[in-house]
Amino acid sequence: EDKVVQSPLSLVVHEGDTVTLNCSYEVTNFRSLLWYKQEKKAPTFLFMLTSSGIEKKSGRLSSILDKKELFSILNITATQTGDSAIYLCAVVNYGGSQGNLIFGKGTKLSVKP
Amino acid sequence: NAGVTQTPKFQVLKTGQSMTLQCAQDMNHEYMSWYRQDPGMGLRLIHYSVGAGITDQGEVPNGYNVSRSTTEDFPLRLLSAAPSQTSVYFCASSPTRTGFLNYGYTFGSGTRLTVV
Repeated sequence: EDKVVQSPLSLVVHEGDTVTLNCSYEVTNFRSLLWYKQEKKAPTFLFMLTSSGIEKKSGRLSSILDKKELFSILNITATQTGDSAIYLCAVVNYGGSQGNLIFGKGTKLSVKP
Repeated sequence: NAGVTQTPKFQVLKTGQSMTLQCAQDMNHEYMSWYRQDPGMGLRLIHYSVGAGITDQGEVPNGYNVSRSTTEDFPLRLLSAAPSQTSVYFCASSPTRTGFLNYGYTFGSGTRLTVV
């Protein structure tokens, strides 16, 4: 059964801390891995990772994929209260002409002042 | 540029009632889908469509119907609402049937449904 597992499920840190969110996966036809940030409403796209070892970076956020060990991490440095959100990891499962995203349960990050 | 629009934003139903959640996109996206999000369960795919006239089931399709008569609209119908269908529902779209491979999805703002 295809699955995406995120850890931890929740995390409380203080402003300025650095956090690492984990995503491991087992899917039949892996194509890519995506990270989303969900605040109060719709998930918003952060990164798409396709190749191992190539870091994607956007400001204080960065992510990397390990296709051999089947996991990805999302790092947030110098956290701010605005980083408080649920972070979703999703894997593109694509074989033949069909495919979809498989989501993990998310990591709820709370950043305290 | 409206993107993906979902209506209503909130809804309370009684058990056994039927209703339709609306989803419309103005980006000429071929691919549209419905997800439900429950605490501790993540996002789970209900139904999806790769183009007008084409729909298919996702992970949790029971109790829901969909149709895709136009490219723009992808309504989700609850035939006889049950408390287990209390959830937040998201509609998502992508430019082509394989566009999500490069672009991920664009999500609507969600519909919070409570069935009592």
